[in-house]
Amino acid sequence: DVKVTQSSRYLVKRTGEKVFLECVQDMDHENMFWYRQDPGLGLRLIYFSYDVKMKEKGDIPEGYSVSREKKERFSLILESASTNQTSMYLCASGTGGVDEKLFFGSGTQLSVL
Amino acid sequence: EDKVVQSPLSLVVHEGDTVTLNCSYEVTNFRSLLWYKQEKKAPTFLFMLTSSGIEKKSGRLSSILDKKELFSILNITATQTGDSAIYLCAVVDSNYQLIWGAGTKLIIKP
Repeated sequence: DVKVTQSSRYLVKRTGEKVFLECVQDMDHENMFWYRQDPGLGLRLIYFSYDVKMKEKGDIPEGYSVSREKKERFSLILESASTNQTSMYLCASGTGGVDEKLFFGSGTQLSVL
Repeated sequence: EDKVVQSPLSLVVHEGDTVTLNCSYEVTNFRSLLWYKQEKKAPTFLFMLTSSGIEKKSGRLSSILDKKELFSILNITATQTGDSAIYLCAVVDSNYQLIWGAGTKLIIKP
């Protein structure tokens, strides 16, 4: 079975802390994505990666960075967490190409106090 | 600017009812439209639509795309409490970027 694993289901951090969200997929997918999901706003793309060490900004990259050192792992980093980064973060991986379908992790609910 | 709009934003019906969820889009270079179901955890894939007028069906769920009027509908017949979820619509553009709608929250009352 296809699997995308996010390291934490719930996280509580303080303003100014550095936060790491980890995502691992076991499907050998080229593409990986980080989204945040807020009520009424749907899924908004933060960053995506289409290959190891490659990254592209999404719609809302400010305040975030990413790392993809290995194909199966895509990390989202909040250098200095702020309260407006309280959100549900979803990682996804996809096959790419014509039949692109995304497989999502279970999400990390991050609260920044 | 490309956008995808889902309606209604939320919907409450009784078990056994039929529901229709809407997804309209304005996307410059349309490639396909995707429907996902999100319960408490990860969104799961339902349908991919690329051609107008061809209904995709899976059990009590079906979906169709109208590329002339730029919308898709997702129908659920004989709803069950397990259909309660957020239903997400996304359009894939020619660069394989996904543009997401805000979702429709569906609640099925027993």
